[in-house]
Amino acid sequence: DQQVKQNSPSLSVQEGRISILNCDYTNSMFDYFLWYKKYPAEGPTFLISISSIKDKNEDGRFTVFLNKSAKHLSLHIVPSQPGDSAVYFCAASANFNKFYFGSGTKLNVKP
Amino acid sequence: DGGITQSPKYLFRKEGQNVTLSCEQNLNHDAMYWYRQDPGQGLRLIYYSQIVNDFQKGDIAEGYSVSREKKESFPLTVTSAQKNPTAFYLCASGGQGAVGEQFFGPGTRLTVL
Repeated sequence: DQQVKQNSPSLSVQEGRISILNCDYTNSMFDYFLWYKKYPAEGPTFLISISSIKDKNEDGRFTVFLNKSAKHLSLHIVPSQPGDSAVYFCAASANFNKFYFGSGTKLNVKP
Repeated sequence: DGGITQSPKYLFRKEGQNVTLSCEQNLNHDAMYWYRQDPGQGLRLIYYSQIVNDFQKGDIAEGYSVSREKKESFPLTVTSAQKNPTAFYLCASGGQGAVGEQFFGPGTRLTVL
């Protein structure tokens, strides 16, 4: 049973607009969440993270929001750029032990 | 440059043969991980090691084996017992600390014919 779910396999956004990628989790013990970006035939690269003691973390154009009561996190990209087109994975862990990944959302930013 | 390397990038094997995938890191990370990615699915954890000479099974360890004799190296053997070995395999390493992120290698695409 998947403990981290990304229910949207794909998302298409116009350049300059906001991209919102969503992720849900089931395990209330998760206390650390990460987003990774992946291009085809490459390994994922770390994008941004958030600890469960926070509800928001911002890094440039990327902001991650955490709603612990809903067991939901989201990644906002503003403004979206064509170079952001990639697959985005969310991941979660409890005490930095094992990491559980969602199935990914393929973002397409149209020029 | 510090990083994590996997070789080869593409690997072909006949059914019934064991194959070993290489993973090396020079980031001085204690923890190393092996994941498998299949089309339309997320990364699934095969094995992980948090310290030299110790490793634990992940969620899909059946048909795989690992060793961790050196801090820098965490090879994965795909055995003939693995029913569907064709996949994209990713190795990662991570250090303890405030960030907790994992650094991934470029991956090895294994195709069993």
